[in-house]
Amino acid sequence: DGGITQSPKYLFRKEGQNVTLSCEQNLNHDAMYWYRQDPGQGLRLIYYSQIVNDFQKGDIAEGYSVSREKKESFPLTVTSAQKNPTAFYLCASSIPPGRGTYEQYFGPGTRLTVT
Amino acid sequence: AQSVTQPDIHITVSEGASLELRCNYSYGATPYLFWYVQSPGQGLQLLLKYFSGDTLVQGIKGFEAEFKRSQSSFNLRKPSVHWSDAAEYFCAVGAYNFNKFYFGSGTKLNVKP
Repeated sequence: DGGITQSPKYLFRKEGQNVTLSCEQNLNHDAMYWYRQDPGQGLRLIYYSQIVNDFQKGDIAEGYSVSREKKESFPLTVTSAQKNPTAFYLCASSIPPGRGTYEQYFGPGTRLTVT
Repeated sequence: AQSVTQPDIHITVSEGASLELRCNYSYGATPYLFWYVQSPGQGLQLLLKYFSGDTLVQGIKGFEAEFKRSQSSFNLRKPSVHWSDAAEYFCAVGAYNFNKFYFGSGTKLNVKP
């Protein structure tokens, strides 16, 4: 079955540590996205990538970094510079906008808790 | 600025009753509109989408939505709610050749037995 996997489902870290969240897709999608979800705030875009080796900042990129070395993978690093990292993180993928109906498909999410 | 408003944070309906979740958007171009559903601790699942054509769109799980350009709305409806519909529902807007989706803040649906 095609889909998006995110690992781990729960992640705990101490304040001041960087942490990397994994996102893998086998849908053959070119575009991938990272969102942050906080209660009552919907989804906010952190970074997105339309193609391998290229990515752009979203609305709340400060304190985060990404890489896109393979089409299937789009890992997100939450750095110690992110002031409030505790949140639910969602990865998504789609065909690139402009090539048709580009609904986003979501992974199951990773809940990060930083203490 | 682009935005999506879901005015109802929480809604409670009885099982078997009809449901309407409201969504209003502000967007300068022709919008692409989506409704997603999220169960607790899970990812989002696409319920339905509108790109063009018939303004009444059918989705999965018996849901439908109607695009009303004059009202900038894309309300989600279901004629008879089941207990398994209890979840959070998100409306989103995008556009052709535009990378970002804008999500509403969500509406939590509670279903009474």
